Amino acid sequence: GAVVSQHPSRVICKSGTSVKIECRSLDFQATTMFWYRQFPKQSLMLMATSNEGSKATYEQGVEKDKFLINHASLTLSTLTVTSAHPEDSSFYICSARFWRSYNEQFFGPGTRLTVL
Amino acid sequence: GENVEQHPSTLSVQEGDSAVIKCTYSDSASNYFPWYKQELGKRPQLIIDIRSNVGEKKDQRIAVTLNKTAKHFSLHITETQPEDSAVYFCAANRGEYGNKLVFGAGTILRVKS
Repeated sequence: GAVVSQHPSRVICKSGTSVKIECRSLDFQATTMFWYRQFPKQSLMLMATSNEGSKATYEQGVEKDKFLINHASLTLSTLTVTSAHPEDSSFYICSARFWRSYNEQFFGPGTRLTVL
Repeated sequence: GENVEQHPSTLSVQEGDSAVIKCTYSDSASNYFPWYKQELGKRPQLIIDIRSNVGEKKDQRIAVTLNKTAKHFSLHITETQPEDSAVYFCAANRGEYGNKLVFGAGTILRVKS
């Protein structure tokens, strides 16, 4: 149980375009979803936290107008990287938790974004 | 805010030996400390976690110890195997509801056969 999927797994786009990444909890309703970014050989950095039906809370230094998060339902959150640039190339990972999971987060498989 | 420091950054051990990775945290309000294993290009996998009401937890070859007074916790892997080679991250919870995680910088573990 507690499976999280992400789509796409890999995306290559041109500079200036927007990319949408989906995160789904497959067998549970997620009270909270989290979006992380991981640069090569670095740790996971939390970008934002989202709850269904409410605005996402962004971490300091993360541009909310560039990284749009929509948490449309208890099983789906999307991250849109707008006007992507090469420096946005990274591994984006979502996670989710549910009310009985205490603080444990269940991670998606990640999305490798490459901006040319 | 919470700050998590992790050491060492790389660790090489001989197969069968033990490996120990240490983390310190800064926020005394943190009460959840998970450890993750991440292979290249994959998602982090929870391998063990500990909550602040216990000092030690063990699961087969893996154990975690927590010293709340000193604000540090450690991962112990015994009888290491080549498949234990990966990057290991510690984390501590933070935030108003304690539901956010702050990760350490990671430790590259290499188990030599």
